[in-house]
Amino acid sequence: GQQVQQSPASLVLQEGENAELQCNFSSTATRLQWFYQRPGGSLVSLLSNPSGTKHTGRLTSTTVTKERRGSLHISSSQITDSGTYLCAMEPDTGYQNFYFGKGTSLTVIP
Amino acid sequence: NSKVIQTPRYLVKGQGQKAKMRCIPEKGHPVVFWYQQNKNNEFKFLINFQNQEVLQQIDMTEKRFSAECPSNSPCSLEIQSSEAGDSALYLCASSQDWGQDTQYFGPGTRLLVL
Repeated sequence: GQQVQQSPASLVLQEGENAELQCNFSSTATRLQWFYQRPGGSLVSLLSNPSGTKHTGRLTSTTVTKERRGSLHISSSQITDSGTYLCAMEPDTGYQNFYFGKGTSLTVIP
Repeated sequence: NSKVIQTPRYLVKGQGQKAKMRCIPEKGHPVVFWYQQNKNNEFKFLINFQNQEVLQQIDMTEKRFSAECPSNSPCSLEIQSSEAGDSALYLCASSQDWGQDTQYFGPGTRLLVL
């Protein structure tokens, strides 16, 4: 089956530091999508990236589908960035469903 | 911000009971997905629809789970005979098309099977 591996599993940063989250997947993908899960459960879609680099605000997503990897860079972290960041891979099967990694738990401290 | 509505937010059932949850996708989104997030934070795809038609579903869904997205009514996911292992957060997501569009998630229904 599809496998999506995220690293690190958890990360603690001081406010203002940058974070680099990694995502590796076991089969060819149409795109990667990054989600933020707030404590309590609800998901927020962050970036959807088929390939290359995309930016939004302090977030930069890089996807290299040929190498089956992607990353999410968070610059100048803030306390409100704390939560779980999930990477989801859409396989190139023609159906738009996702396989999720287990997430990176980010804690930003003052 | 997502406008996907899920009800109820919490659901408690005994083993063997039916458990039904509903989802109203964002207006104009014909594609709906259901996912399960278990206590280990693992997400599993369950079923997806385009308009009222099921496009793909996993084996688990085919056996004890039923889902529908009727026209002009909320989508629903129902577990016919709940088991303890079904305790999880059930997330509904919608999107505009099968292309490059992103999925928008509701807040989820947290099911506890006693």
